[in-house]
Amino acid sequence: DSGVTQTPKHLITATGQRVTLRCSPRSGDLSVYWYQQSLDQGLQFLIQYYNGEERAKGNILERFSAQQFPDLHSELNLSSLELGDSALYFCASSPSGTGYDEAFFGQGTRLTVV
Amino acid sequence: SQQGEEDPQALSIQEGENATMNCSYKTSINNLQWYRQNSGRGLVHLILIRSNEREKHSGRLRVTLDTSKKSSSLLITASRAADTASYFCATDLNNTDKLIFGTGTRLQVFP
Repeated sequence: DSGVTQTPKHLITATGQRVTLRCSPRSGDLSVYWYQQSLDQGLQFLIQYYNGEERAKGNILERFSAQQFPDLHSELNLSSLELGDSALYFCASSPSGTGYDEAFFGQGTRLTVV
Repeated sequence: SQQGEEDPQALSIQEGENATMNCSYKTSINNLQWYRQNSGRGLVHLILIRSNEREKHSGRLRVTLDTSKKSSSLLITASRAADTASYFCATDLNNTDKLIFGTGTRLQVFP
C-alpha cells in the first residue's frame, strides 16, 4: 500500500458528461501529480500541485482542470468527455516535488466513456 | 511528448536469465528513476539514481547512468516469473519539477 488513495476506482460515464476524480496523498506529502495512461501506453503528465499551488503543467486539455485543497487532497475535473478520454488516471504524491523525490502512486481510476 | 524512450519495447526471457532495459532521455536532469507497473495497477518505485552517480544497486537490480549519452540502463539479474511487468524510467524535465515518464518496456519472464 503506497498510502495514496484514489477514488473512485472505476467510473463509467457517457460522452459530454463531467466527472471528478479524487486523490488523497500520503500523509506529509505536499506535492501531487496527475497522469493519464491510455491502453498500453506510457504515462502522460498532466499537472502537478505543490502545497495548494500549481507547480507544473503538462499536456492537459482545456476541458480538464485540477486543484489542490488546503488539506492537500486533490481533484481532477474532466468535462465534455469524449470517447478518447477513456484511460487510467493516476495520482502520485511526493514529499517535496522537486524532482529529487520518489513518487508514490495510487491504484488509479479507470475511466470509461461510452 | 515523452522525455524518455525505453528500449526494447518488449522483452521475453526465461526465468534465471538477466533482463536489460535501456532508457534514453533528451534534456539535462537532476535524477533518473525507474518504476515498475503490474498490469493495470499503480506504479511502484524501484530505484533513483542522481545525476552525479554512475551506478546503483538494489537487490537484484543494477542501474547505470551515463549523462554524457543521456541514457540509463536497468539490469534485473536472475529474473523470476514475478518480475513480469512493465518498467518505466522517469526524469525531471530540464531540471524542472515535472516528473516525466518514458514509454516503458514490457517484460515477460517465462517459468
